[in-house]
Amino acid sequence: GAVVSQHPSRVICKSGTSVKIECRSLDFQATTMFWYRQFPKKSLMLMATSNEGSKATYEQGVEKDKFLINHASLTLSTLTVTSAHPEDSSFYICSARVEGSAYTGTQYFGPGTRLTVL
Amino acid sequence: EDKVVQSPLSLVVHEGDTVTLNCSYEVTNFRSLLWYKQEKKAPTFLFMLTSSGIEKKSGRLSSILDKKELSSILNITATQTGDSAIYLCAVSGGSNYKLTFGKGTLLTVNP
Repeated sequence: GAVVSQHPSRVICKSGTSVKIECRSLDFQATTMFWYRQFPKKSLMLMATSNEGSKATYEQGVEKDKFLINHASLTLSTLTVTSAHPEDSSFYICSARVEGSAYTGTQYFGPGTRLTVL
Repeated sequence: EDKVVQSPLSLVVHEGDTVTLNCSYEVTNFRSLLWYKQEKKAPTFLFMLTSSGIEKKSGRLSSILDKKELSSILNITATQTGDSAIYLCAVSGGSNYKLTFGKGTLLTVNP
């Protein structure tokens, strides 16, 4: 159980375009999902907390107008990188938080999306 | 500010060795401590430790939480090359269960 999928797994785009990444919890409902970014040989950096039915909460230094988050259902959150630039190239990982069980609070991660902006 | 420190940052062992990875933390409103294994992609969940579950074991892996010392260890016995990965420790605290990650321990198991 507790499977999280992410799509696409890899995307290459031109500078200035927007890219949407989907995160789905496949076998459980998640009121809260999280979006992380990971640079090579670095740990995960939390970008924002995605709350179903309400606005996302962004970490300090993360531009909310650049990284649009939508959590329209209990199993889907999307991250849109708007007007992407080469410095946005990174590994983006989502997670979904388990609730209402012995593992409440555990986050299960999607497989990640490798974004390359040319 | 919440903080998680892992040690060592990297470790090279031979197959069959036993390893111990360390994690210490400072967090407001501690809820749980989690261990993840990260190979080439995203982290996979190993254990969650809480005040009511301070010791977990699964096969050759085991973990203990010491709430008094604000630390945890992850033990791997009879290591195999497939155990080579980055092991991440994360602590959950606050009202929204936000995770604070350590920098990870890169474990390399040589044949």
